[in-house]
Amino acid sequence: DSGVTQTPKHLITATGQRVTLRCSPRSGDLSVYWYQQSLDQGLQFLIQYYNGEERAKGNILERFSAQQFPDLHSELNLSSLELGDSALYFCASSVGTSGEASTDTQYFGPGTRLTVL
Amino acid sequence: AQTVTQSQPEMSVQEAETVTLSCTYDTSESDYYLFWYKQPPSRQMILVIRQEAYKQQNATENRFSVNFQKAAKSFSLKISDSQLGDAAMYFCAYRSPEDKIIFGKGTRLHILP
Repeated sequence: DSGVTQTPKHLITATGQRVTLRCSPRSGDLSVYWYQQSLDQGLQFLIQYYNGEERAKGNILERFSAQQFPDLHSELNLSSLELGDSALYFCASSVGTSGEASTDTQYFGPGTRLTVL
Repeated sequence: AQTVTQSQPEMSVQEAETVTLSCTYDTSESDYYLFWYKQPPSRQMILVIRQEAYKQQNATENRFSVNFQKAAKSFSLKISDSQLGDAAMYFCAYRSPEDKIIFGKGTRLHILP
């Protein structure tokens, strides 16, 4: 158990809908990362937050957004869902630093499996 | 753009034997981090080992060690005394100074009893 929790475990929805995925980092971790793992694209980094601020952005679509709240939990919002958004979404957390780049290790949650019908 | 390549989609090794998983990457940066993650059937991502590019010494964690060749941009993972619990998908990952992370496509490792 990594200490990172994600809810829900599974989510089934229809095209055009909007969903919110939730992540609670390990106690004491300030950084949260979101990833998408699909069969054809592999594991893709989406976005990182550090202590409530966006720090790094990867291949995140404009239909997707995220935020990190004062209690450090994070939410990933996916809107106007398409069939191709079906994937496993991982959240990871790390201690993080206030410097230019964090050097510490990321711990992954169990993932949320999203199925878009 | 940075890339990470794992050229072996699948590998098999006999239990108790040693196996090496390959990873190459491309970057123009000099300061970065490299990781190997393990993803068992449970789909959890588990950190196996990490290497800081500025360190010449190869990282080791119990039965897991890396061969880091910075000039060749190679970062292979050696698993000694393979165990049935080592069966999983293994991902090599590169982390840039700007905190962007890129994963390879993965290598599925089978352990033969």
